[in-house]
Formats: sequence, structure tokens, C-alpha cells
Amino acid sequence: AQTVTQSQPEMSVQEAETVTLSCTYDTSESDYYLFWYKQPPSRQMILVIRQEAYKQQNATENRFSVNFQKAAKSFSLKISDSQLGDAAMYFCAFRGSGGGADGLTFGKGTHLIIQP
Amino acid sequence: EAGVVQSPRYKIIEKKQPVAFWCNPISGHNTLYWYLQNLGQGPELLIRYENEEAVDDSQLPKDRFSAERLKGVDSTLKIQPAELGDSAVYLCASSAGGVRTDTQYFGPGTRLTVL
Repeated sequence: AQTVTQSQPEMSVQEAETVTLSCTYDTSESDYYLFWYKQPPSRQMILVIRQEAYKQQNATENRFSVNFQKAAKSFSLKISDSQLGDAAMYFCAFRGSGGGADGLTFGKGTHLIIQP
Repeated sequence: EAGVVQSPRYKIIEKKQPVAFWCNPISGHNTLYWYLQNLGQGPELLIRYENEEAVDDSQLPKDRFSAERLKGVDSTLKIQPAELGDSAVYLCASSAGGVRTDTQYFGPGTRLTVL
């Protein structure tokens, strides 16, 4: 079974600064997918960024980028130019490649606070 | 395009009472998921449907939980009878299915409080 670990229960950053959220995972699979989801107080899970394990290039979506280290099984999220609207819970998630539509395995989340 | 719709958003019941949650996935999405999210935790998969077939229900507590997805569209998750420990957020998600890089889209969830 896969496990996802987020070691930072809470992170705080000044507005306009950069913050990095950590995630490690454990799997015996070689082909899989990794995700970062954002969950604001409204509870709606919103996909932030996705990484395919077979791709060496790190995924980027505007101010959001990842540092994917496959050998180390590490998948961190970097948020540049932090904005007040970035405040939320952030969840790292894993999905194997077996069924093409398998359920996600989530970490416990990191609460991100943006200081104005 | 409408997102995943769930109702109700909130539900408060007495223990031992039955409760049901409803989910309408994104139009055309064949795969539907129900997740359970306890306070301070990440979501955990309860059941996955491919069209109307439950293909992964290994984490669904079948003594009190049941689910159905008639006609492969809407889905209902039921708890009978509810226990105090069932208080949580129940999330529904859907995906187009059958694609390796498939993305799951989530609804706003139903927050259940069992008194």
C-alpha cells in the first residue's frame, strides 16, 4: 500500500514571499501520478498541480511549481509571490497507474497561513 | 460547465438514525468516487464506481454503509444506523475515466454531525 507523508502541519509566510510545502511518499510502483490539491474553508478540493512520474521535468502552473525527486520519493510544492487567496489546507496525493482511474491516497495536509 | 454537485451541504442527526448523501458528477464523467474526510485528515477513499459498477469498495464499512449509482450517473451514499464516529465530511469526486492522466474533480462535500 502507498503512503503519503506531509511533515508540516502548518506553515506561515508573508504575502509576496515564497514558501515550500513538503511531501514524501512510499510506493513500490515505478509509474504513478502525484498531485497537490488546495482545500479552502469552503471545503472544495481544487487541483493545483499534477506530476507524472515518468516525466523528469518538474511541473509548473503559474506561481506554483514542484520539485519532484523520484529517487528520494519527494514531491514538494513551491508557491511564489504568495497571495492572501493562497491561504488554505494543501494536500499531497498519490495515484498508481494500475487502473487508470484509481482512488487517490492523500497526506494529512499542511495548513498554509498568509501574513499580510 | 457545472462542477460536481453534492447535497445536502450540512446534516445533523441523532445517533442510530439513517442518513443519505447525494452526488451528481460532472456530465460525461464515467468514474465516481466517495471519500471520507475526518477532521484534520486527508480524504480516504470509500468506494469507486465505473459507470454503475462498484469496482473498488474495499474500504467501505459494509455493515452500516451502502452506496448505489443507478444508471451510471447520480450516486447516493447511505449510513444506517449512524454512529458518533461517523461525524465527518463526505466528499464526492468524478473523473472522465479510462485515461492514464485522469484528473479527479471534487464536490463541496457534506458535513455530517452525529449527536
